[in-house]
Amino acid sequence: AQKITQTQPGMFVQEKEAVTLDCTYDTSDPSYGLFWYKQPSSGEMIFLIYQGSYDQQNATEGRYSLNFQKARKSANLVISASQLGDSAMYFCAMRGFGNQFYFGTGTSLTVIP
Amino acid sequence: DTEVTQTPKHLVMGMTNKKSLKCEQHMGHRAMYWYKQKAKKPPELMFVYSYEKLSINESVPSRFSPECPNSSLLNLHLHALQPEDSALYLCASSQGSGMVETQYFGPGTRLLVL
Repeated sequence: AQKITQTQPGMFVQEKEAVTLDCTYDTSDPSYGLFWYKQPSSGEMIFLIYQGSYDQQNATEGRYSLNFQKARKSANLVISASQLGDSAMYFCAMRGFGNQFYFGTGTSLTVIP
Repeated sequence: DTEVTQTPKHLVMGMTNKKSLKCEQHMGHRAMYWYKQKAKKPPELMFVYSYEKLSINESVPSRFSPECPNSSLLNLHLHALQPEDSALYLCASSQGSGMVETQYFGPGTRLLVL
């Protein structure tokens, strides 16, 4: 069975600082994809970044980077130079074979001015 | 363009009403999804359509009835709902069902059942 764990229910970060949101996963699929989504209070789930299990390099998208450590089964999201608009819920998700996404419980990030 | 649209944005209905939620995408995606999300919880998968056929039904009560009229549209018909069905309903789509396929979400419909 697939499982995603986010152990930080809430995080605070000072504006312009970097922050790391933790995500660990468990799967028996030989290949899989890992995703991060941002959900502001408006409700829309916004796709941020993707990492494939066979990708050699860590994914980056602008201020977002994914610290992928396959042996440790972790896929942490790093947000650099935090902005007030980064305040939101962040969900880690995994997809193996088939049509299902498995979501973690989420981390609520608050950026302090 | 990675836009998925959902209507209505908000819906209030009584337990005896019949209403429908609508989802549309024009990205040529062949998989579409309905999720239910309670406050401060992750989305819960309800239904998956793949190539316009229902491929996953996560034991959802029959008062929720999905429909996929064509490859761009996904509906969720609601009938005789309960107050505990109040939630944010999210629609998503993806190109296919492979592990690299990103799901793109719509803005959601906030449903309140009185």
